[in-house]
Amino acid sequence: AQRVTQPEKLLSVFKGAPVELKCNYSYSGSPELFWYVQYSRQRLQLLLRHISRESIKGFTADLNKGETSFHLKKPFAQEEDSAMYYCALLGGGSYIPTFGRGTSLIVHP
Amino acid sequence: KAGVTQTPRYLIKTRGQQVTLSCSPISGHRSVSWYQQTPGQGLQFLFEYFSETQRNKGNFPGRFSGRQFSNSRSEMNVSTLELGDSALYLCASTDGYTEAFFGQGTRLTVV
Repeated sequence: AQRVTQPEKLLSVFKGAPVELKCNYSYSGSPELFWYVQYSRQRLQLLLRHISRESIKGFTADLNKGETSFHLKKPFAQEEDSAMYYCALLGGGSYIPTFGRGTSLIVHP
Repeated sequence: KAGVTQTPRYLIKTRGQQVTLSCSPISGHRSVSWYQQTPGQGLQFLFEYFSETQRNKGNFPGRFSGRQFSNSRSEMNVSTLELGDSALYLCASTDGYTEAFFGQGTRLTVV
């Protein structure tokens, strides 16, 4: 069975501080990992996927297969980063991502 | 290309009633999935349809059902509504090669 765990429901930081949203997964094969973001009153949208290895809005995430983690990081948080963040896993040829419960990031001015 | 469209955006129903939600996927996407989003449980998978067939189903009671039409549009039905069914219901579509694209959701309130 595949599972995604986001241990923090809420993460509160000040503007300019580093931020790390944790994501751990459980999957026996080689998964594809994603981070989705949902800003207030907007639809859930893809932030980044591990296979593209790109930085979006200053966020990066590295897949660590040894620790089965895919933590999302940003060195300097901005107020506009305040949103709900979901880690998701796709595996086994499925079209359906398995989502974590989400972490609400609040960036204070 | 138009995004995933869900209608209606908001619904208020009373306990015991039934409700039907609609989702129009991105043109060319044959897979449509439904999710229930609540503050406490996050995103929970309901079911997935592909080419008019339900391929996968989450752990929800039989009161939750769905269908997909030949044009890939999908509907979700909830019968005998309970207060706990109040949630944001999200629809996502994918072509299997790119990520899932989500609609803005239908906010269902059961009173």
